Amino acid sequence: ILNVEQSPQSLHVQEGDSTNFTCSFPSSNFYALHWYRWETAKSPEALFVMTLNGDEKKKGRISATLNTKEGYSYLYIKGSQPEDSATYLCASPPSGNTPLVFGKGTRLSVIA
Amino acid sequence: NAGVMQNPRHLVRRRGQEARLRCSPMKGHSHVYWYRQLPEEGLKFMVYLQKENIIDESGMPKERFSAEFPKEGPSILRIQQVVRGDSAAYFCASSLLDSITEKLFFGSGTQLSVL
Repeated sequence: ILNVEQSPQSLHVQEGDSTNFTCSFPSSNFYALHWYRWETAKSPEALFVMTLNGDEKKKGRISATLNTKEGYSYLYIKGSQPEDSATYLCASPPSGNTPLVFGKGTRLSVIA
Repeated sequence: NAGVMQNPRHLVRRRGQEARLRCSPMKGHSHVYWYRQLPEEGLKFMVYLQKENIIDESGMPKERFSAEFPKEGPSILRIQQVVRGDSAAYFCASSLLDSITEKLFFGSGTQLSVL
């Protein structure tokens, strides 16, 4: 059974602050790491998919890094805005042809 | 382009009744995944289907739950003789390809409440 862990569970930051949170996964048999953003009353939306150690992806003020050797990925948000408030999910497949296993998410609240 | 469509958004059933949840994937997508979210829990995988085939049902309870994705029409998640513990949000997602690097596109979910 693959365990995908996310921390912290929730986070409150002031508008303009930069923040980051962590997704941990077993470093053995790594295949891919997905990040999704889930706003309240909406559907989860894909942010990034990463596969290579050292990979770094960026989308506007949001970026993610991947360390497959030590089994973690960081999601960074620069200059947080109230519209960044959402739950951020990471997910990984247990094997090369199995559906994604999701972490419980980090709930971010950005206070204006 | 319509996204993944799920209906109904809210479904109320009494114990012992049947619940049918529908999911129409994005246009052109033939891979459908069902996930369940229990209160205070994350998304838990239930079943993965391609057109007319169940590929992986390892996350689905063996009794009372079934899923199908016919050649024509939406995917259906069926729960027979519902119990209070079935109350949850059920999410459907679709993808274009069968690949672990394919992004999933999610529907808005069906909130099932069992009285």
